[in-house]
Amino acid sequence: GAGVSQSPSNKVTEKGKDVELRCDPISGHTALYWYRQSLGQGLEFLIYFQGNSAPDKSGLPSDRFSAERTGGSVSTLTIQRTQQEDSAVYLCASGVLSYNEQFFGPGTRLTVL
Amino acid sequence: DQQVKQNSPSLSVQEGRISILNCDYTNSMFDYFLWYKKYPAEGPTFLISISSIKDKNEDGRFTVFLNKSAKHLSLHIVPSQPGDSAVYFCAASGVSGGSNYKLTFGKGTLLTVNP
Repeated sequence: GAGVSQSPSNKVTEKGKDVELRCDPISGHTALYWYRQSLGQGLEFLIYFQGNSAPDKSGLPSDRFSAERTGGSVSTLTIQRTQQEDSAVYLCASGVLSYNEQFFGPGTRLTVL
Repeated sequence: DQQVKQNSPSLSVQEGRISILNCDYTNSMFDYFLWYKKYPAEGPTFLISISSIKDKNEDGRFTVFLNKSAKHLSLHIVPSQPGDSAVYFCAASGVSGGSNYKLTFGKGTLLTVNP
């Protein structure tokens, strides 16, 4: 595809369950970012992958959050033991250079009941 | 503590007029600024950026102005069109600070352009 894709587009889960969110970046993009947008807030940085370098996980809000990027392409964001405050839109972005334009996917809207 | 602030949650303008979206920042390490536009159910799309070595960058109907001393930037859209109706996010990063890939976003301003 031409752009960043994310799946699922919507996810409703019960408190305490684990969820996995997937991101397919634009082919050839070495940088991949995860953000989340809670209701009424701006986008909050979560994690950054660049090539084979160690990811910057400094934005992850707790140890229930983790992310992987396999083969330098697809990324999965995992939230364990979800809480209601995890409800947000989770956005993935990819890019070529680390601070240039980031291309965003449509996001996954997570609702924790 | 919000490092990037968009104090106007919404703005309404008439088609053909100028739209001015404002953004303030507090972190003096920020030296690269971007504007993104977001339609409902879509991810943000990059609009225009400016480096701190400049005070103006223009791209068609969109111009970004940067006032470093005031830590203020603005996005001007002229003439405004109904298709410009969207949420506009201001974002900043600190290229010289080492963490040049982390974008800090404001909360966004909903622009409505009325026909």
